[in-house]
Amino acid sequence: KQEVTQIPAALSVPEGENLVLNCSFTDSAIYNLQWFRQDPGKGLTSLLLIQSSQREQTSGRLNASLDKSSGRSTLYIAASQPGDSATYLCAVRRSYNTDKLIFGTGTRLQVFP
Amino acid sequence: DVKVTQSSRYLVKRTGEKVFLECVQDMDHENMFWYRQDPGLGLRLIYFSYDVKMKEKGDIPEGYSVSREKKERFSLILESASTNQTSMYLCASSFRKYRVRTDTQYFGPGTRLTVL
Repeated sequence: KQEVTQIPAALSVPEGENLVLNCSFTDSAIYNLQWFRQDPGKGLTSLLLIQSSQREQTSGRLNASLDKSSGRSTLYIAASQPGDSATYLCAVRRSYNTDKLIFGTGTRLQVFP
Repeated sequence: DVKVTQSSRYLVKRTGEKVFLECVQDMDHENMFWYRQDPGLGLRLIYFSYDVKMKEKGDIPEGYSVSREKKERFSLILESASTNQTSMYLCASSFRKYRVRTDTQYFGPGTRLTVL
């Protein structure tokens, strides 16, 4: 059974720092992996999606990498800002034949001025 | 822009009441999902529907049922609410088999349900 873990559960950093969020999954046979952002009391918004054949995806100050063989993905946030404060969740899609996602428990990030 | 709306942002109900949570999407998506989100447990899938009148149990269907009479609407029903169903409920939708490789699930804003 696929399990997705995110460590740490919470992170507090000063503005301007570069930071890395981690996501681990137990079964390396995945179709793709996504990173989502969730603001307090809100729904999820997709940030980056990495196909299983890709190594990384970039969007602005965000860079997500994928190492399938080791069951890991990282989300790198450059020059963090208070507006980056949110919960970040990763989710894996096991195969093309399933539309379901398996979510990690999330990392709650606070960036203080 | 894809829009997924949920009928209530906050809901307070009493133990034993029948509760309806409604979700509507405007993107003609085949798939619709209901999740609950609890601290430390992440998002857990309750039910999934891939077409009108079709449903599939997720990881935690006990105590819940669903209804999909129209493509754009997916309802979650708590037949007899209990205090352990106090949670944030999130609805999502997507195209079936993700027609485009970069497609994803689109989420509503959530309903925070408290059962007293």
